[in-house]
Amino acid sequence: DARVTQTPRHKVTEMGQEVTMRCQPILGHNTVFWYRQTMMQGLELLAYFRNRAPLDDSGMPKDRFSAEMPDATLATLKIQPSEPRDSAVYFCASGSSWTAYSYEQYFGPGTRLTVT
Amino acid sequence: GQQVMQIPQYQHVQEGEDFTTYCNSSTTLSNIQWYKQRPGGHPVFLIQLVKSGEVKKQKRLTFQFGEAKKNSSLHITATQTTDVGTYFCAGENSGGSNYKLTFGKGTLLTVNP
Repeated sequence: DARVTQTPRHKVTEMGQEVTMRCQPILGHNTVFWYRQTMMQGLELLAYFRNRAPLDDSGMPKDRFSAEMPDATLATLKIQPSEPRDSAVYFCASGSSWTAYSYEQYFGPGTRLTVT
Repeated sequence: GQQVMQIPQYQHVQEGEDFTTYCNSSTTLSNIQWYKQRPGGHPVFLIQLVKSGEVKKQKRLTFQFGEAKKNSSLHITATQTTDVGTYFCAGENSGGSNYKLTFGKGTLLTVNP
């Protein structure tokens, strides 16, 4: 049963610290997405990759967030420095996009981040 | 930018009652997808609609895609307690392959047994 994995599942950190979240997409999927979910804003797309190339990161605060995909089995999202307003659940999702449009996205379990 | 509006924000029903959530996009969509998120869980894909006017059924769930490909609905017949969760629609813009979905804010469904 293939699934997206994310680590850590929970992270509590102090303001100003660096946070790194990792995601292993489903093998064979060529598109990887990072979302942030809060009660107020809902699901926001932060960044996404297709065939490991970044397609759009306009949803991310550029001064503190960075997303990379060093290889096909790993995507990372870093926050440096972290702020209390970054507290949220961060989801990674992967999918296939071999045609003109994308197919379903498979979400990981999420990383619940609390910045104090 | 593209906006996807979803109503209602919340819906509380008695078990056995029907439920409908509506989704409207500010732009024409190439396809629309529906996801369900249980409390404390992650979004799980339910279905994808691609064709204008398409209707798909999954047991008690009926999904529709509007003729203009700008709106969609999810209808649940005779709700059960297992239907509890937040239902999201997510649309992909037409006119260019950007492969990203814009999610609505979701409809939280609670069911009283």
